[in-house]
Amino acid sequence: DTGVSQDPRHKITKRGQNVTFRCDPISEHNRLYWYRQTLGQGPEFLTYFQNEAQLEKSRLLSDRFSAERPKGSFSTLEIQRTEQGDSAMYLCAGAVGQGEYGYTFGSGTRLTVV
Amino acid sequence: LAKTTQPISMDSYEGQEVNITCSHNNIATNDYITWYQQFPSQGPRFIIQGYKTKVTNEVASLFIPADRKSSTLSLPRVSLSDTAVYYCLVVQTGANNLFFGTGTRLTVIP
Repeated sequence: DTGVSQDPRHKITKRGQNVTFRCDPISEHNRLYWYRQTLGQGPEFLTYFQNEAQLEKSRLLSDRFSAERPKGSFSTLEIQRTEQGDSAMYLCAGAVGQGEYGYTFGSGTRLTVV
Repeated sequence: LAKTTQPISMDSYEGQEVNITCSHNNIATNDYITWYQQFPSQGPRFIIQGYKTKVTNEVASLFIPADRKSSTLSLPRVSLSDTAVYYCLVVQTGANNLFFGTGTRLTVIP
């Protein structure tokens, strides 16, 4: 248990459907990040929250993607009108302070779009 | 952001010491070096980080020469469970995210 929980662990969806993933960091994680990882590649940054404020978004985060962190606790990542290219592992990470002590990643949600 | 270069893969026998070197020629004064480990179907796990000289914890050692243009992650007496991908990252102080490359795939052989 890393202290960051992600749900579900796996999701298979048909192209065009909407999906939502959830991330539960520990209470001390003032910072929360979403990353995407495809096979053989390192994780790619998607977006970052400082408490409840979404402060940075990657160009990878198209209009079909939206993330929220209400009340600065758990976070959700929604993908609308999924495409096959969205198939990947979606990772959530939490950090304290400015992240100077490292990020704590969850085990990820593996999305397969068929 | 300083680019990092590390070997794509390495093999080692159980019980040996493994050294993974990372080049970061364009590292800036306020940047520090951090390493993560990732097992299949899991998120990356923070291993160690440092700014200069040597840092050691219960898992690994990190050696950073004076010019800081490279760093070496040292894993003592590896076991089969150390088979994983190891990422070297250069992090700007106060940065809002981490940039991962493709990492080094370490395979420990019995």
